[in-house]
Amino acid sequence: DTEVTQTPKHLVMGMTNKKSLKCEQHMGHRAMYWYKQKAKKPPELMFVYSYEKLSINESVPSRFSPECPNSSLLNLHLHALQPEDSALYLCASSRLVLETQYFGPGTRLLVL
Amino acid sequence: QQPVQSPQAVILREGEDAVINCSSSKALYSVHWYRQKHGEAPVFLMILLKGGEQKGHEKISASFNEKKQQSSLYLTASQLSYSGTYFCGTEADGLTFGKGTHLIIQP
Repeated sequence: DTEVTQTPKHLVMGMTNKKSLKCEQHMGHRAMYWYKQKAKKPPELMFVYSYEKLSINESVPSRFSPECPNSSLLNLHLHALQPEDSALYLCASSRLVLETQYFGPGTRLLVL
Repeated sequence: QQPVQSPQAVILREGEDAVINCSSSKALYSVHWYRQKHGEAPVFLMILLKGGEQKGHEKISASFNEKKQQSSLYLTASQLSYSGTYFCGTEADGLTFGKGTHLIIQP
């Protein structure tokens, strides 16, 4: 089973809303990632978790707040987003950092 | 540091071959290749770790040069299903992707 699941598939939110994106994997992977992808652009790394600890934060604004409650779950909490934050948010996992990453289907976010 | 991919786009007829290049100004720990179809998530193709390594899967193969600064993806006898955007990813920790190569296969 090489599946990474993400919910919701689509999300529309206002600039004052608070919402969360969820990512789950049951492959026993100990590294999990959040990427942001704008249309016709490559995915951009946002956060890396290794053994449930945040190891990389690629200068992401504080309106994005990641959380890794256990080794299978990764959340991304959203608050006071801007319209330019509209994008596809991809979660990925790998057995360990630096190994093959498997991507979830993504959450398509629209901020109005 | 973002790797440089070339070409930006390729249009092929079914059955033709293509080569996509990925290069970096410094030696890399590894190179990952992904394909992404429109509206879908990237799908892993292969990872190369060693200088001089070559790997293949059916009609898609890749190489990593000795200095580990350049990788090429080879698509032979292309099929319609090969259409999509191909990204190389280089790393520390998370992946830094190149800008992508758009591959269009025509019947």
